[in-house]
Amino acid sequence: NAGVMQNPRHLVRRRGQEARLRCSPMKGHSHVYWYRQLPEEGLKFMVYLQKENIIDESGMPKERFSAEFPKEGPSILRIQQVVRGDSAAYFCASSPPGSNQPQHFGDGTRLSIL
Amino acid sequence: GQQVMQIPQYQHVQEGEDFTTYCNSSTTLSNIQWYKQRPGGHPVFLIQLVKSGEVKKQKRLTFQFGEAKKNSSLHITATQTTDVGTYFCAGPNTGNQFYFGTGTSLTVIP
Repeated sequence: NAGVMQNPRHLVRRRGQEARLRCSPMKGHSHVYWYRQLPEEGLKFMVYLQKENIIDESGMPKERFSAEFPKEGPSILRIQQVVRGDSAAYFCASSPPGSNQPQHFGDGTRLSIL
Repeated sequence: GQQVMQIPQYQHVQEGEDFTTYCNSSTTLSNIQWYKQRPGGHPVFLIQLVKSGEVKKQKRLTFQFGEAKKNSSLHITATQTTDVGTYFCAGPNTGNQFYFGTGTSLTVIP
């Protein structure tokens, strides 16, 4: 059973470009979470999605950031007009249906902004 | 809003010494989860505690959930170099998402 798959592993963008981060949850998992982590810091919750629904986006900046989890295909975290401060590791996690399930994390995407 | 704090932020120990990290929540938690993240890696689920006062063991790791369900601890006996990493606790909010603690980074000196 494949784990949570994130791609790309590393992404380099210039200021003003768009970044698209992809996450395929584990088979059977319907809940997807996105987190941001700066070097030597903790995990900051961004958004929680279920298929075709954003359940909680309280941790996501109101501008430039968006997320989706379509009926078919991976979840996408999209950052428009990137700035240097967006440089971080972005982790996706998935969990099965039900409350308070353990989260399974992908390897993350390391985003660098030039 | 809900906050989950961990202490210490960093801990250096000699190999063979014990290590403990503490997790404190500003609100009562229905359950708490612990994760480990190796340097350069991703968080990996270790355990979940649900009951007040619950104690669970995994080999050299002992996890406790406080009686008031507002704090938790992870204790490692006789640390090894393989224990290196950052340990996070995580507690749920009413919206079924977890707030991760600030983490404790453990360095084990051979």
